[in-house]
Amino acid sequence: GESVGLHLPTLSVQEGDNSIINCAYSNSASDYFIWYKQESGKGPQFIIDIRSNMDKRQGQRVTVLLNKTVKHLSLQIAATQPGDSAVYFCAETSGGTSYGKLTFGQGTILTVHP
Amino acid sequence: AAGVIQSPRHLIKEKRETATLKCYPIPRHDTVYWYQQGPGQDPQFLISFYEKMQSDKGSIPDRFSAQQFSDYHSELNMSSLELGDSALYFCASSASERDWETQYFGPGTRLLVL
Repeated sequence: GESVGLHLPTLSVQEGDNSIINCAYSNSASDYFIWYKQESGKGPQFIIDIRSNMDKRQGQRVTVLLNKTVKHLSLQIAATQPGDSAVYFCAETSGGTSYGKLTFGQGTILTVHP
Repeated sequence: AAGVIQSPRHLIKEKRETATLKCYPIPRHDTVYWYQQGPGQDPQFLISFYEKMQSDKGSIPDRFSAQQFSDYHSELNMSSLELGDSALYFCASSASERDWETQYFGPGTRLLVL
């Protein structure tokens, strides 16, 4: 079936570096994408979202890029901090018959070293 | 700001027992979603409700049922529990009248079936 997946399961960076987490999706009908951060023992926390009619969106220290041509999504975190250490999931929804249902990718473990 | 509340946070059951998980959405959110997350896995969509009606159904076993009540809280009922049901169960909520696609997750209920 349709799926959303991640290229890299783990990413280790030094504090202050920029981090890039990638995600590939296969559902061409996907029209809304969200990045979530999940810390150990906690629920996914909304970071940033982007709609399919956009190719870039910026938040506080985070930027999401969407390339619909190759069905690729990325999350960029600027000046990564130890508190950014967590598992990052991309998720998509396509509305239509899947009203609100989120399909998650595999997850990338981000470790930030002081 | 108020968040999604889930209870209990931890639950231990024996095989073939039943369990009831509760979810209280963010105030003024009318849509509730349930997800199951196994160890090291991404969250998998189970079921969702909008205005007390089931709006979508995912990979929810027939042994599970759920409903949304008039105050918008939701309960996930799990019967004939199996070892494989051990997982984190997340509830998420969204507001249909604005930004309905953005789901905010609760802290989860960790279910352990022995």
